[in-house]
Amino acid sequence: SQTIHQWPATLVQPVGSPLSLECTVEGTSNPNLYWYRQAAGRGLQLLFYSVGIGQISSEVPQNLSASRPQDRQFILSSKKLLLSDSGFYLCAWSLGDSSYNEQFFGPGTRLTVL
Amino acid sequence: GNSVTQMEGPVTLSEEAFLTINCTYTATGYPSLFWYVQYPGEGLQLLLKATKADDKGSNKGFEATYRKETTSFHLEKGSVQVSDSAVYFCALSDQPAGANNLFFGTGTRLTVIP
Repeated sequence: SQTIHQWPATLVQPVGSPLSLECTVEGTSNPNLYWYRQAAGRGLQLLFYSVGIGQISSEVPQNLSASRPQDRQFILSSKKLLLSDSGFYLCAWSLGDSSYNEQFFGPGTRLTVL
Repeated sequence: GNSVTQMEGPVTLSEEAFLTINCTYTATGYPSLFWYVQYPGEGLQLLLKATKADDKGSNKGFEATYRKETTSFHLEKGSVQVSDSAVYFCALSDQPAGANNLFFGTGTRLTVIP
């Protein structure tokens, strides 16, 4: 069966520090991968998605970046965090070869920028 | 463009009450529709889905019917339990090239009291 992991589960970082959040998927090949942010009291905002290694699409301009160094690994990064980067970050995957399939979400990382 | 509008929360119900959370959508094509649930401190889980008009998705006593004529996908449950307390997200899936991006509503927080 497929599983998706995210770490760390929680993170407290000072403004201006770098960020690296990792997401890995097991039990499937060539998935589509997604990063979402959920700000406090708000819905989900798609940040990045990837359909293959090295292929990243950005949905919202910001100081975050994403990379996909391996088929089932998706990394969210920042060189300098802002206060507004605080939120709950969710990674998700979907089957890469079908339309309209649901996305499966990881447990999330709660980031607090102080 | 694609968008989802769902009922503003929070919603507070007594145990065994009837639940309706309204969701309407705007889409350029023929989307699939989903309800996701987020329990406190966790990621999102797919609750149910419908892929074409008049389909009814159901799971754990929850139901939603894909109504193309009213562009709606309202979530219902006949008798809620305390364990149903969570945030519920309505979502729409369209198919840009290579990935099935999800468009989420802002979420509706449900609290069920004994």
